[in-house]
Amino acid sequence: DAKTTQPNSMESNEEEPVHLPCNHSTISGTDYIHWYRQLPSQGPEYVIHGLTSNVNNRMASLAIAEDRKSSTLILHRATLRDAAVYYCILRDWNSGYALNFGKGTSLLVTP
Amino acid sequence: EAQVTQNPRYLITVTGKKLTVTCSQNMNHEYMSWYRQDPGLGLRQIYYSMNVEVTDKGDVPEGYKVSRKEKRNFPLILESPSPNQTSLYFCASSRRREEISNEQFFGPGTRLTVL
Repeated sequence: DAKTTQPNSMESNEEEPVHLPCNHSTISGTDYIHWYRQLPSQGPEYVIHGLTSNVNNRMASLAIAEDRKSSTLILHRATLRDAAVYYCILRDWNSGYALNFGKGTSLLVTP
Repeated sequence: EAQVTQNPRYLITVTGKKLTVTCSQNMNHEYMSWYRQDPGLGLRQIYYSMNVEVTDKGDVPEGYKVSRKEKRNFPLILESPSPNQTSLYFCASSRRREEISNEQFFGPGTRLTVL
């Protein structure tokens, strides 16, 4: 499976935008980029996914580089509730349903 | 409310005493799976099921069993638990395979301690 690289941790102030980077230089043409997050003491939850174009939903935006070798999850206004571990995951038909979570980025949000 | 439920949420047991962790989803999902989460190792898949009566091993199946007799339920069975199975367990479900973009829904987790 193609691998992803994320910073171990990031910090943000409340109500400011947060840009969480992910590098995936060996991504293949059929890999979708998925983001999940895990709040403290909870199970992972889906955030967003994309293939080539930037994507927006109620939770976040996903910006995908033109060469697809990197992507950025954008939280437009961080809240204390957004403090979590964020996982960038590549998925394609060959990888089946198992999610390879990796170590993710631990986001700290301070008031 | 669409959800995945797990029971129990916390369990302390002793080596060798058989136990079952239940998982149930109310979204009519075909796919269900179990993960364990350990510090420094992240989440790893134990078993998964593509549909009723169809199960297969994930990355770390040793010491575990599963069954899928009904679409909504996917219990995880530890017939002879050992201390190295002390972990945080998550059940997950999602829609059918053809939708590669489908999101997976996770349960709240079961923290198991084997003494």
